[in-house]
Amino acid sequence: DAGVTQSPTHLIKTRGQHVTLRCSPISGHKSVSWYQQVLGQGPQFIFQYYEKEERGRGNFPDRFSARQFPNYSSELNVNALLLGDSALYLCASRTSGGGETQYFGPGTRLLVL
Amino acid sequence: LAKTTQPISMDSYEGQEVNITCSHNNIATNDYITWYQQFPSQGPRFIIQGYKTKVTNEVASLFIPADRKSSTLSLPRVSLSDTAVYYCLVGDIDNTNAGKSTFGDGTTLTVKP
Repeated sequence: DAGVTQSPTHLIKTRGQHVTLRCSPISGHKSVSWYQQVLGQGPQFIFQYYEKEERGRGNFPDRFSARQFPNYSSELNVNALLLGDSALYLCASRTSGGGETQYFGPGTRLLVL
Repeated sequence: LAKTTQPISMDSYEGQEVNITCSHNNIATNDYITWYQQFPSQGPRFIIQGYKTKVTNEVASLFIPADRKSSTLSLPRVSLSDTAVYYCLVGDIDNTNAGKSTFGDGTTLTVKP
C-alpha cells in the first residue's frame, strides 16, 4: 500500500514569493495534518483538516493557508515567503479526526533565499 | 498542552537496552503519552502510546509510573539502525493523534558499533 506522498520533494524560492505544497493521504484516510519542522527542532503543528473542513490551526500567521479536496488530498499555501519559512514541511494522514495513529509523509524541503 | 522535557542526546552501543525518559509534570487526566521516531529527512514514525503502567509492542516498551509525571521509552537490544531522534508527546488522544500536539526538540540517540 502506498503511504502518504508529498510533492515536490525539494523547492527553492525567494523572499516574497508564494509556494504551494501538496499531500496525498493514505487511501481511506480522511484527515490530513500539516507540520513545519525547522532544522534541529521538532515538528510544529500548522493545520488539521478532516472531511474538507479545518479542524485545528497552530500558531502560524495568516500567510499560511490550506485546503482539502474531495479526494482528501491537501494543499498548503504560504504567501510572502520569509527566510524563516525555510523548513521541512510534513504532511500526516489518519483515518478520522481523532483517536487513531497518524502517518507521516517524507516531507517537502523548502529553502527560501 | 503539557510541556515535555527530554535529554538532548544519548549514546549507546549495539545490543544494549536504551531507556529514554520524558518528564511531563503538568500532564492532564485525559492526556496520553506518545513516542515517535524520526530519521533524517523523513517524517516521524509512531512507536508506542500509553496512558498508565506498561505498554509493550514489537519494537518498544513504555513505562509510566502511577503519578504519570514521567514516562520511559525502552528500546531492547538496539542496533545501528535505531540511531534517530525520539520525540515524546503528551496530549488528549484525539488532539495528539489528530496532529494538534506539539513536538518538543526530541532526544538524539546515537548507537555505536
